[in-house]
Amino acid sequence: KQEVTQIPAALSVPEGENLVLNCSFTDSAIYNLQWFRQDPGKGLTSLLLIQSSQREQTSGRLNASLDKSSGRSTLYIAASQPGDSATYLCAGREYMYSGGGADGLTFGKGTHLIIQP
Amino acid sequence: SAVISQKPSRDICQRGTSLTIQCQVDSQVTMMFWYRQQPGQSLTLIATANQGSEATYESGFVIDKFPISRPNLTFSTLTVSNMSPEDSSIYLCSVEGLIYFGEQFFGPGTRLTVL
Repeated sequence: KQEVTQIPAALSVPEGENLVLNCSFTDSAIYNLQWFRQDPGKGLTSLLLIQSSQREQTSGRLNASLDKSSGRSTLYIAASQPGDSATYLCAGREYMYSGGGADGLTFGKGTHLIIQP
Repeated sequence: SAVISQKPSRDICQRGTSLTIQCQVDSQVTMMFWYRQQPGQSLTLIATANQGSEATYESGFVIDKFPISRPNLTFSTLTVSNMSPEDSSIYLCSVEGLIYFGEQFFGPGTRLTVL
């Protein structure tokens, strides 16, 4: 069963810095990987989806990469802003019907990010 | 973009009772899922809600405790049965197939407290 690990667990940086959040997964036979942000008391917002055939995706100041061979994904945030403060979650999806179970997402525990004004 | 809603948004229940949570999306979707987020934890998949057939449960979750229905392509319910304080969590539904196959979008969640 896929396991997803995120480091660091928490990160606090001053506004304007570029930063990288890391995600690792145990099963290289991953179908896709999705990054989310979660604000306190709220649901999840999808940021980026990387299919297994892709190596990276970009949206605005966000760039996510996927390296299946090493079992790693990174989320790069450029020119960070206080509004970026949130918990960032990485989630991997195995191929459907690959090993039983419900075929949904396996989540990491998240990186709690604080951007200091 | 599509709107995903959940009812209720929060509830406080007594142990031994049951609560049914509804998830409604305003577009037809391929797949619907239910997740649980325990206090201070990340999300854990409960099951895939299959239209017209029994849900597919993740290891550790059983139908008697978490019965799920999905009567059509836009609606699903999750029931938390015979609740105990350990069931206090946020329950979230997600949908897939809105835009790209494989991309999941989440509802706002239902915050459940069991006394």
